[in-house]
Amino acid sequence: GEDVEQSLFLSVREGDSSVINCTYTDSSSTYLYWYKQEPGAGLQLLTYIFSNMDMKQDQRLTVLLNKKDKHLSLRIADTQTGDSAIYFCAESAPSGTYKYIFGTGTRLKVLA
Amino acid sequence: GAVVSQHPSRVICKSGTSVKIECRSLDFQATTMFWYRQFPKQSLMLMATSNEGSKATYEQGVEKDKFLINHASLTLSTLTVTSAHPEDSSFYICSAGGLAGTDTQYFGPGTRLTVL
Repeated sequence: GEDVEQSLFLSVREGDSSVINCTYTDSSSTYLYWYKQEPGAGLQLLTYIFSNMDMKQDQRLTVLLNKKDKHLSLRIADTQTGDSAIYFCAESAPSGTYKYIFGTGTRLKVLA
Repeated sequence: GAVVSQHPSRVICKSGTSVKIECRSLDFQATTMFWYRQFPKQSLMLMATSNEGSKATYEQGVEKDKFLINHASLTLSTLTVTSAHPEDSSFYICSAGGLAGTDTQYFGPGTRLTVL
């Protein structure tokens, strides 16, 4: 099956780290993505990781990929109130189609 | 780079009218464009995939006669909601893919459709 699961809600204090988790089922995915959606807006690409990588770091963002467990995580260091949003993970479907399978989305709330 | 625009951002129409939403890739040629629908507090639901110059591929359960998709050029795709009804009210988001060498989709800002 093609299910990408995320926890629905995460609340953290400003300055702490946030970790958003995602589990997927299609082990043939080439890329895995993290997108951010603010209220009433489209999706902003945050970062992506190629399936043969274990980790990717980009400023405050760290992506970890465990292919064996089909687990993807996004760590946001020094979380700010502006990070409050919904975060979606997505996996790419068979190469050439450009289709995604989206996760259910995690709503991150950052408390001042 | 990789900017996608949508127009209009918000539209209110009467039941029975048709509404056209445009999706443009501003700085790259999009081989493929996607149309999604998003209900409140839910994930994105893929409606259809369109490739330039060919017919769109609709997902199961999406009425192709209701949601007309045209992808006339590598930078423009349109979604027309025909004979709109209140249940068509939703947030519609397009994305564009095909930037050389990646599977990445770049998303538009979305269009909020309200049908009275």
